Amino acid sequence: EPEVTQTPSHQVTQMGQEVILRCVPISNHLYFYWYRQILGQKVEFLVSFYNNEISEKSEIFDDQFSVERPDGSNFTLKIRSTKLEDSAMYFCASTQRGLSTEAFFGQGTRLTVV
Amino acid sequence: DQQVKQNSPSLSVQEGRISILNCDYTNSMFDYFLWYKKYPAEGPTFLISISSIKDKNEDGRFTVFLNKSAKHLSLHIVPSQPGDSAVYFCAANTNAGKSTFGDGTTLTVKP
Repeated sequence: EPEVTQTPSHQVTQMGQEVILRCVPISNHLYFYWYRQILGQKVEFLVSFYNNEISEKSEIFDDQFSVERPDGSNFTLKIRSTKLEDSAMYFCASTQRGLSTEAFFGQGTRLTVV
Repeated sequence: DQQVKQNSPSLSVQEGRISILNCDYTNSMFDYFLWYKKYPAEGPTFLISISSIKDKNEDGRFTVFLNKSAKHLSLHIVPSQPGDSAVYFCAANTNAGKSTFGDGTTLTVKP
């Protein structure tokens, strides 16, 4: 069964450093998303991406964040100058036809900022 | 402003009985509503969805009901099984591609 894969599974970084979280969406999907879940809190939408551009973003997704699809398979989330409060599980998801259809989520990357 | 709320943080039911999970929303612009199941340290897994133009969708043991006038949706699981024990999130999506999750309800199904 096709799946969304995320690497690394766990990333520890020092405050102020930049991190890149990587995702390989399902191959025939066209819409890509990043979410995060701070420990003990709800899953929060960050950004949606379609046709090589951002479709929607939340208030959380400020200039510190950026997304990119550098090639035909990868979808990345870059967090610049990380802060302690960026520590969370980051989930990548993809869909075939936008958010009217189910999103397939990856297993997540646990980001720990120290 | 919490646009999607799941007011019950936890629910415990006996195996074989019905589980009813509830979700309320405030934004009339949501176009689709979905339920996801989540285990610790895993990504959410899709269960069932409903378009805003419908009031019911059924898939096996799972049925989602949408009451647009009340801005309320619910997920019914019947019969409940111990393997259903997990955190359940409702999500409300716009056509533009934005998704809002509720806080989650932890369901425990007792054998």
